[in-house]
Amino acid sequence: AQTVTQSQPEMSVQEAETVTLSCTYDTSESDYYLFWYKQPPSRQMILVIRQEAYKQQNATENRFSVNFQKAAKSFSLKISDSQLGDAAMYFCAYRSAWGGATNKLIFGTGTLLAVQP
Amino acid sequence: EPEVTQTPSHQVTQMGQEVILRCVPISNHLYFYWYRQILGQKVEFLVSFYNNEISEKSEIFDDQFSVERPDGSNFTLKIRSTKLEDSAMYFCASSLLGTEDQPQHFGDGTRLSIL
Repeated sequence: AQTVTQSQPEMSVQEAETVTLSCTYDTSESDYYLFWYKQPPSRQMILVIRQEAYKQQNATENRFSVNFQKAAKSFSLKISDSQLGDAAMYFCAYRSAWGGATNKLIFGTGTLLAVQP
Repeated sequence: EPEVTQTPSHQVTQMGQEVILRCVPISNHLYFYWYRQILGQKVEFLVSFYNNEISEKSEIFDDQFSVERPDGSNFTLKIRSTKLEDSAMYFCASSLLGTEDQPQHFGDGTRLSIL
């Protein structure tokens, strides 16, 4: 069974600085998708960024980028130029991508990010 | 931007009572999901639903749970006889398709407290 681990329950960053949130996962599958979701205090989970395992290039969305290390099964999220609105719970998630795969997302426990002004 | 909406935001129920959590998925979406998060633990998959039937369920989703799409807009999760351990945040999600390139859109969640 696949598992996702986020070892940092809480992180803090100064506004305008860069922060990296860690995520590791365990799977025997070769093809899968990885996601970072953000859950601000308003509670709705929002997709931040997605990485396909077959792609070597790291995904980037504006100030958000990932460091995907497939061999190490590591998928960290880097937030550059942190803003107060980045304060939220961040969840790392995994999804199988083989033919006939399940649709379910497998989540980590989350990292609560605080942004200090 | 269209959103998944969930009601109520907080539900308090006596143990043993039935509870129905309601969700309105995004209108053109075809796949629907329920997840839950017990306080301090991971978000866990419960069930996925497509074409008016369950397409997948987890071991958590036992006979006490059921889902229904009673009309063209609502998607409900019913817990028949609640237990203390059912206390959790329940999230509804929907996606346009079931393929991995279609992200799941989540609602705000319903906090269920069992007394």
